[in-house]
Amino acid sequence: DVKVTQSSRYLVKRTGEKVFLECVQDMDHENMFWYRQDPGLGLRLIYFSYDVKMKEKGDIPEGYSVSREKKERFSLILESASTNQTSMYLCASSLAGRSNQPQHFGDGTRLSIL
Amino acid sequence: LAKTTQPISMDSYEGQEVNITCSHNNIATNDYITWYQQFPSQGPRFIIQGYKTKVTNEVASLFIPADRKSSTLSLPRVSLSDTAVYYCLVGDYSGAGSYQLTFGKGTKLSVIP
Repeated sequence: DVKVTQSSRYLVKRTGEKVFLECVQDMDHENMFWYRQDPGLGLRLIYFSYDVKMKEKGDIPEGYSVSREKKERFSLILESASTNQTSMYLCASSLAGRSNQPQHFGDGTRLSIL
Repeated sequence: LAKTTQPISMDSYEGQEVNITCSHNNIATNDYITWYQQFPSQGPRFIIQGYKTKVTNEVASLFIPADRKSSTLSLPRVSLSDTAVYYCLVGDYSGAGSYQLTFGKGTKLSVIP
């Protein structure tokens, strides 16, 4: 079965820290995504990667960067964490092609920045 | 970029049919319409997808009118376990950085015994 694994379910960090969120998929999918989910705002795309070392900005990339050195792994980096980045972060993957390839999500990382 | 609008919440009794509508007035020609279900503390899960007319699977049906400016997710005979948030996703991507995907804000469905 399809599996997307996020390294932590809960994470607490301090303002100004550099934070790494890791995501691994075992389906050999080309596309990987990072979203954040906030009450009343739904899912918002942060970054998207369609191949190793390739990335594209989503709707809210400010304050974030990503890394995809291997096909199965997609990392989200908060360069200098701030309290407004406290949120649920969701990783997803899908096969290449048009959007008729469904996205498979991990169970999320709830990140708190103090 | 297609913007989507869904009701914030809906209530239904067990055994009833539930219809959740998503509006996407500026949907593009190549856009697909996809619905996801999300339970608390879990990531969204794919339910159904369509491009036009009607699609049915073992879980739900999706109705898309000819102008494709809206879509309706239909859940037959809901049970308590269908209590979740339902998201509509509209858009298209074809790799190489070409993407236009927008999630709706979700509809919280509460099924009442």
